[in-house]
Amino acid sequence: GQNIDQPTEMTATEGAIVQINCTYQTSGFNGLFWYQQHAGEAPTFLSYNVLDGLEEKGRFSSFLSRSKGYSYLLLKELQMKDSASYLCAVNAGNNRKLIWGLGTSLGVNP
Amino acid sequence: SAVISQKPSRDICQRGTSLTIQCQVDSQVTMMFWYRQQPGQSLTLIATANQGSEATYESGFVIDKFPISRPNLTFSTLTVSNMSPEDSSIYLCSALKRGGRNTEAFFGQGTRLTVV
Repeated sequence: GQNIDQPTEMTATEGAIVQINCTYQTSGFNGLFWYQQHAGEAPTFLSYNVLDGLEEKGRFSSFLSRSKGYSYLLLKELQMKDSASYLCAVNAGNNRKLIWGLGTSLGVNP
Repeated sequence: SAVISQKPSRDICQRGTSLTIQCQVDSQVTMMFWYRQQPGQSLTLIATANQGSEATYESGFVIDKFPISRPNLTFSTLTVSNMSPEDSSIYLCSALKRGGRNTEAFFGQGTRLTVV
């Protein structure tokens, strides 16, 4: 079967660093996406990992280990506006559709 | 980056009617998808829109209820047919632009549908 696991909720303090983990078991693997979604808005693309290692984009970084079926999203210098749901999705199989996690709701406290 | 224009952004419809949602991408993309999302829940894939052929539907979704068109690489429509209050949801189109490590995936702004 296809399965994506990520924590349901996390909280962190403004200015801190937070790591959101995602583990996956899929029949194939063609890349992993991270999205941010604020309440009432569409998801916003954050990052894409297809090779092992760390991809850095400003305050956000994403890591992938294909052998472990594991990824994390690292958010640095947290800001209040980072309070949102973070979705992990795997591009699996030949038909290229994405398998979605249920999302991690991140609350940033002052 | 690609920009997706989705419309309408919201609508209130009568039971039994149909609504067509449009998505226009500003550049050619590899794949287009249609999702549904209930407030506070994750995304549910309705179907993959295939250019020039019938869409590929997920379990629980059928063409008669959710006909989809994709006449070219930048445009797709989803119709919600014979609506009932259970169809009230947010509908989102998404596009995947493959580019190796530069692969990106984008969403339209979403259509908030209320069926009364």
